Amino acid sequence: AQRVTQPEKLLSVFKGAPVELKCNYSYSGSPELFWYVQYSRQRLQLLLRHISRESIKGFTADLNKGETSFHLKKPFAQEEDSAMYYCALRGNYGQNFVFGPGTRLSVLP
Amino acid sequence: EAGVAQSPRYKIIEKRQSVAFWCNPISGHATLYWYQQILGQGPKLLIQFQNNGVVDDSQLPKDRFSAERLKGVDSTLKIQPAKLEDSAVYLCASSLAPRTGGNTEAFFGQGTRLTVV
Repeated sequence: AQRVTQPEKLLSVFKGAPVELKCNYSYSGSPELFWYVQYSRQRLQLLLRHISRESIKGFTADLNKGETSFHLKKPFAQEEDSAMYYCALRGNYGQNFVFGPGTRLSVLP
Repeated sequence: EAGVAQSPRYKIIEKRQSVAFWCNPISGHATLYWYQQILGQGPKLLIQFQNNGVVDDSQLPKDRFSAERLKGVDSTLKIQPAKLEDSAVYLCASSLAPRTGGNTEAFFGQGTRLTVV
C-alpha cells in the first residue's frame, strides 16, 4: 500500500535559518515523489518533483530510496515561504497521488 | 493555460440534503481526480477518472457519493444525503495520462468548501 508520512504538523524557523521538512513514504516499486505547496488563500500547486532534480524558489529535495525519504530543504528561509507543504507519491502504474498530512511552515521575522 | 475550474467555491447545506460540485479540467488532460480534504489533513482521493472511465473509486463512500465524467471532460461529484462529517474542501485535479512522456503532475482547482450543519 502507498503511504506518505510527514512527522511535523508545524515547523517554525526564523528568517535566514535553514529549513528541512521531512517526508517518508512506503511503496514497493519505484514511485514518483512530489512536493506541493499551498500559500494562504491560494490553490495547491506543485513545488518540485524528484524526477526533474531542480531547485525551485531555493528549495531542493533528494529522493533517498534506502531510507524511503524525500525531505525538502532550503538553506535560508524567507518569510514568503510560510505555507502548507504536502509531500505526495504517485505509483509507477499511473495510480493516483497519495498525499501526506502536511506540514505548516512558519518563517518568523 | 487556463487552470482547473471548480464551482461553487462555497456551499452550506443542512444534513440529509444533497449537493453537487462541478469541475472543468485543463484542456487535454485525460486524468481527473476528486479529493476530499478535511481540516488539518492532507487530500484523500475519492475517485480517479481516465477519460470517462473510472480507474479508482475504492475510497468513495458509494452509499452517498457519486461522480461522473460522461463525455470525458467535465465532471460532477454529488453527495446525497450529506452528513456532518462530509464537511470538507472538495478538490478537483487533472493531469496528463500516465506514461505520455510529459509532465504528469496534478493541477488543482481552488476547491469547494462544503459545510454541513
